[in-house]
Amino acid sequence: GENVEQHPSTLSVQEGDSAVIKCTYSDSASNYFPWYKQELGKGPQLIIDIRSNVGEKKDQRIAVTLNKTAKHFSLHITETQPEDSAVYFCAASKTGFQKLVFGTGTRLLVSP
Amino acid sequence: GAVVSQHPSRVICKSGTSVKIECRSLDFQATTMFWYRQFPKQSLMLMATSNEGSKATYEQGVEKDKFLINHASLTLSTLTVTSAHPEDSSFYICSAREMVGGNGETQYFGPGTRLLVL
Repeated sequence: GENVEQHPSTLSVQEGDSAVIKCTYSDSASNYFPWYKQELGKGPQLIIDIRSNVGEKKDQRIAVTLNKTAKHFSLHITETQPEDSAVYFCAASKTGFQKLVFGTGTRLLVSP
Repeated sequence: GAVVSQHPSRVICKSGTSVKIECRSLDFQATTMFWYRQFPKQSLMLMATSNEGSKATYEQGVEKDKFLINHASLTLSTLTVTSAHPEDSSFYICSAREMVGGNGETQYFGPGTRLLVL
């Protein structure tokens, strides 16, 4: 089955810096890759996703890149702000198989 | 994005009692919903897939008689923790699958329910 690895487990940056979180997946048939942000005591919130027919997607300060050949995808956050501090999870799935396979999460801390 | 609600947000119960958690998709219909369990500082663990009008599919190691799932409508799935014990204390989160375009899909999560069994 699919296996998703996520790095780093923790990431500390200064406000205004960029943050990059990387994930690798094992199943080449996976074609959907969402990223979720989870604040303490809350459910995960979808922040951006990418499907395998594109290589990059941007939404304001957030971008996701996908390298299908290498089977890895990354989340890029530019101009980080303290409110970006949270745990970020990547996930992978295949259309029609429904289940998301999650990475282990990255705790991002943005210091003022 | 689409909105998924959960009720209650927090529940405390005595050991041996049953607790029901509701998951609703507020602005879309969801033929499929998912139930997850999350321990502190850990990732989400899928417990079961809930399909409208049919039996839920449970992940390996999850007791279906312990965690009863009902998906009676396109906007509501319920998880009942039967005869709860302290080890069932956890953060339970549901998600709902929304079909996007021709063949895409997106999952939106509820805010979670924190269960404490005394």
